[in-house]
Parts: sequence; structure tokens; C-alpha cells
Amino acid sequence: EIVLTQSPGTLSLSPGERATLSCRASESVSRNYLAWYQQKPGQAPRLLIYGASSRATGIPDRFSGSGSGTEFTLTISKLEPEDFAVYYCQQYGSSSWTFGQGTKVEVK
Amino acid sequence: QVQLVQSGAEVKKPGASVKVSCKSSGYTFTDYYMHWVRQAPGQGLEWMGWINPNRGATNYAPKFQGRVTMTRDTSISTAYMELSRLTSDDTALYYCARDPPGGITALDYWGQGTLVTVSS
Repeated sequence: EIVLTQSPGTLSLSPGERATLSCRASESVSRNYLAWYQQKPGQAPRLLIYGASSRATGIPDRFSGSGSGTEFTLTISKLEPEDFAVYYCQQYGSSSWTFGQGTKVEVK
Repeated sequence: QVQLVQSGAEVKKPGASVKVSCKSSGYTFTDYYMHWVRQAPGQGLEWMGWINPNRGATNYAPKFQGRVTMTRDTSISTAYMELSRLTSDDTALYYCARDPPGGITALDYWGQGTLVTVSS
């Protein structure tokens, strides 16, 4: 099973700043089957990015994903108030799906 | 519009089983795999497995093999997840989520979650 490790655990930033979240896989993620989700308190997760870099429907272009192999990044170019939340990466490989432990983006 | 509506909260005793339903609308139920993901209080997301509603085939995470059963009723566009031999560690919010065809391998719509509490 591929283990995903997200860093940092918590990111303290101000609105308008750039956020860079990391997701590292224990082995190479095949075909870049890597997705990112946003979760706010009391809500279900929302798909942001799939295929490592493709934005899901309706996702603003301030969200971007990059990376390949074992290193992936989610970037929020300019934080809006509604972007403060927990972010999870997720991968598919060898018929198994796994999630990272999450990164919390909080207001500084 | 796409909706996944899950059944209500459950309270179970240790050793019991729970069955959660997920009713789909707004799309062709048999075209999308349905996954189940759980989240313990204050914790992250944990993938449990999927069911192919078209053929009924399933794939379970190793951790839940032998304890989870995913089924569906295509006549009412509903997927089910049953978890047996419950312990307090199974107290969590259980989500269903659909997986679009075409190899996206991501979950684009989620149910509202069903809270399962295991307590003696």
C-alpha cells in the first residue's frame, strides 16, 4: 500500500498570501493518479485537483497542482478567506486508494 | 443535479453490525463506481473500498476485508455499506462518494455523511 505523507501539518498564513502544500508518496504513483481535496468543518470533502494537475469543475484557477512520481504539490496562489480549511491528497495504485493525513491551512 | 443522500445516524453496541445506505440521483447510477470513506472524530480520511454498481464487483481495503460488505440495488439507485463486528474504533462519519468513469480516479461528489457511534 502506498503511504502518502503531507507537509506541513499546519500552515499559518494571511489572506492574500501564497500557500504551498506538499504530498510525498512512499513509492511512485502510477499515471499521476493523485488528487487533492478541501474539507471545511462539518462538510464533506470537495474535489479540487485530479490527475495531479487538472482542476475539477468549478474550481477557481488560484488552485493548481503539480508534480509526478513521488512528489506532488498543491498551490493556492492568493489565499481567499474561504480557502482556510484542511487539504488532503489521495492516490490510486494497485487497486488500492489511500489518503494523506491532511494539512490544515489556518489564519495567521 | 447530482445528489448522494445517506441514511441517518446510528448508535450500535460493540460486536454489532451497521448498514448505511446512499441513494443517488441526477446521474446514471450504474455508470459510476461508488466508494466508501470514513473519518473518525478529529481525524483524516480513510478509504474503505468501492463497488461497481453495474456488475456488483467490489474491492475492499485490506484493513476491512472480511468485515465490510458493499452491495447495491440498481432499481432504486442505492448503494449500501455494511460493517460487522463493530468496536469503538469504528466510531466515525461514513461517506459514500462517486468515482467518474474514464480513469480520473478521484471522487467528485460526496454524500453528507452518516455518523456511526459504537458504544456500550
